[in-house]
Amino acid sequence: EDQVTQSPEALRLQEGESSSLNCSYTVSGLRGLFWYRQDPGKGPEFLFTLYSAGEEKEKERLKATLTKKESFLHITAPKPEDSATYLCAVHAQGGSEKLVFGKGTKLTVNP
Amino acid sequence: ETGVTQSPTHLIKTRGQQVTLRCSSQSGHNTVSWYQQALGQGPQFIFQYYREEENGRGNFPPRFSGLQFPNYSSELNVNALELDDSALYLCASSAPQGGNEQYFGPGTRLTVT
Repeated sequence: EDQVTQSPEALRLQEGESSSLNCSYTVSGLRGLFWYRQDPGKGPEFLFTLYSAGEEKEKERLKATLTKKESFLHITAPKPEDSATYLCAVHAQGGSEKLVFGKGTKLTVNP
Repeated sequence: ETGVTQSPTHLIKTRGQQVTLRCSSQSGHNTVSWYQQALGQGPQFIFQYYREEENGRGNFPPRFSGLQFPNYSSELNVNALELDDSALYLCASSAPQGGNEQYFGPGTRLTVT
């Protein structure tokens, strides 16, 4: 069964304090790994898609990387507005188009 | 470009009742997926519709059903509501050539009492 585990569950940073969020996955074959940002009570906002090990993508203060077993979301010099829950999801081979999500990492950035 | 929209925003129902939630897909997208998100959890896949037909289903009972219309909008119907059905229901749309990048709407918060 496809599984996604995110760590830590919660992370508190001071403004400007860089860190990384982890997403470990177990799938029969990876078709894509997705990162989303979700603010309280709202729908997830698409950030990145990664398709193969070694791939990296960047957007403002965020950088996502992918290996054969995990993905990292690096946050450089975060600001309070980066506070949100970050969700990781995988799309596995096998015909189904579903995304399997982790529980997310709740990030709080204090000014 | 219009994003994914959902209605209603909030809904309160009584156990045993039936509910219909609605979703309009993003312009140019012909695939709609529905997810259930309980508090503190990641979204769980309910089912997906492509060209008006169900294209995959998660571990949800048959009382969860759906439709997709020719304009690619979609409905999620839940019969015989249970207390555990209380959750945020999310609709996501995608394009077949888009690598399954799914774009989510704001969700419908369903409370069952």
